Amino acid sequence: EAGVTQSPTHLIKTRGQQATLRCSPISGHTSVYWYQQALGLGLQFLLWYDEGEERNRGNFPPRFSGRQFPNYSSELNVNALELEDSALYLCASSKYGDITGELFFGEGSRLTVL
Amino acid sequence: AQSVTQLGSHVSVSEGALVLLRCNYSSSVPPYLFWYVQYPNQGLQLLLKYTSAATLVKGINGFEAEFKKSETSFHLTKPSAHMSDAAEYFCAVSPYSGYSTLTFGKGTMLLVSP
Repeated sequence: EAGVTQSPTHLIKTRGQQATLRCSPISGHTSVYWYQQALGLGLQFLLWYDEGEERNRGNFPPRFSGRQFPNYSSELNVNALELEDSALYLCASSKYGDITGELFFGEGSRLTVL
Repeated sequence: AQSVTQLGSHVSVSEGALVLLRCNYSSSVPPYLFWYVQYPNQGLQLLLKYTSAATLVKGINGFEAEFKKSETSFHLTKPSAHMSDAAEYFCAVSPYSGYSTLTFGKGTMLLVSP
């Protein structure tokens, strides 16, 4: 069974540009979560999608947005990039009906903003 | 609301020594608790999880954790450290609310010296 897959692995952008990151959950998982892991700041929750709807959002500005497609894959968009957006962006998925909340993580997409 | 505190951003041990990584949680209801490990430039991998079935939980790679309700703790241990255990370890608590996601601690970097 394939795990959570993310693309691209690395992405380099300049300030003011837009970045798009993609995630495919494990087959059968309907929820997708995005986390930002910036140096020294731990894991910060960004967004949670389930059945195509945004269910919850972390404390991030509106220029961080995303969507979930009918096949449950997801993309994260970051507009008007700033230097502090440089981070590892982790996508995770969870099983439908799993009340424990266990997350299955991808390998991440490293975004560098110059 | 739930929260997680991991004591010590860095823990250093010698190869063969006991590993003890501390995690204390705050939750208004009996929680689900997790330990994840992150190797350099990789995503997070589940080590073990507590789901109230047993207070002593055994995970992968020889790690185990004990849930102590009276101390609100879920410390991670391993009797004998290996060089390959060097990584960052994250404790997490489940929201149990249905409309949030896992809350992670800030992580503890385990350094293993020969």
